[in-house]
Amino acid sequence: DGGITQSPKYLFRKEGQNVTLSCEQNLNHDAMYWYRQDPGQGLRLIYYSQIVNDFQKGDIAEGYSVSREKKESFPLTVTSAQKNPTAFYLCASSRVGILSYEQYFGPGTRLTVT
Amino acid sequence: KNEVEQSPQNLTAQEGEFITINCSYSVGISALHWLQQHPGGGIVSLFMLSSGKKKHGRLIATINIQEKHSSLHITASHPRDSAVYICAVRIQGGSEKLVFGKGTKLTVNP
Repeated sequence: DGGITQSPKYLFRKEGQNVTLSCEQNLNHDAMYWYRQDPGQGLRLIYYSQIVNDFQKGDIAEGYSVSREKKESFPLTVTSAQKNPTAFYLCASSRVGILSYEQYFGPGTRLTVT
Repeated sequence: KNEVEQSPQNLTAQEGEFITINCSYSVGISALHWLQQHPGGGIVSLFMLSSGKKKHGRLIATINIQEKHSSLHITASHPRDSAVYICAVRIQGGSEKLVFGKGTKLTVNP
């Protein structure tokens, strides 16, 4: 089955620790995205990548880092510099081109930092 | 002001009712997406459209490019339609990035 997987579903960390969220896709999509969702707000883009070994900051990249060493994988690290890391994190992927393509979303990871 | 505005924020309906959710945007776009988010958090793409109208089962999406407005309709609503419906736009000339509305929470009561 083709799709996007994120792990874990729930993650708990102490303040001051870095944490890495996993995102894997087997859809052969070139583009991958990380979004953050907070109650009462729309999804906000953290980072995106349209090709291996390249990525761009989104609207709220501060305190986050990513890598794209393989087409299938786009892990997100939430660093201790992120002031309010508790949130729901969604990964997505899509084809790339002149036309707009649907984005396919993973099930999300709910991160709680105390 | 957000670039993508949805209305209403919350909507409660009785099973069988016709539902309309609205999305207005203030920028030039190349495409508009309607997404559905269930209580567990997973998001599913319902429609992507750049003009006209699309239909899938009981769901219909329309867009008016001149008025910068889109609607999502649900006919013969059912409790399983209860979810958050999210409008998102791809800005014209931009990358693959989407700009999202805050979502409309729909509750359909039996």
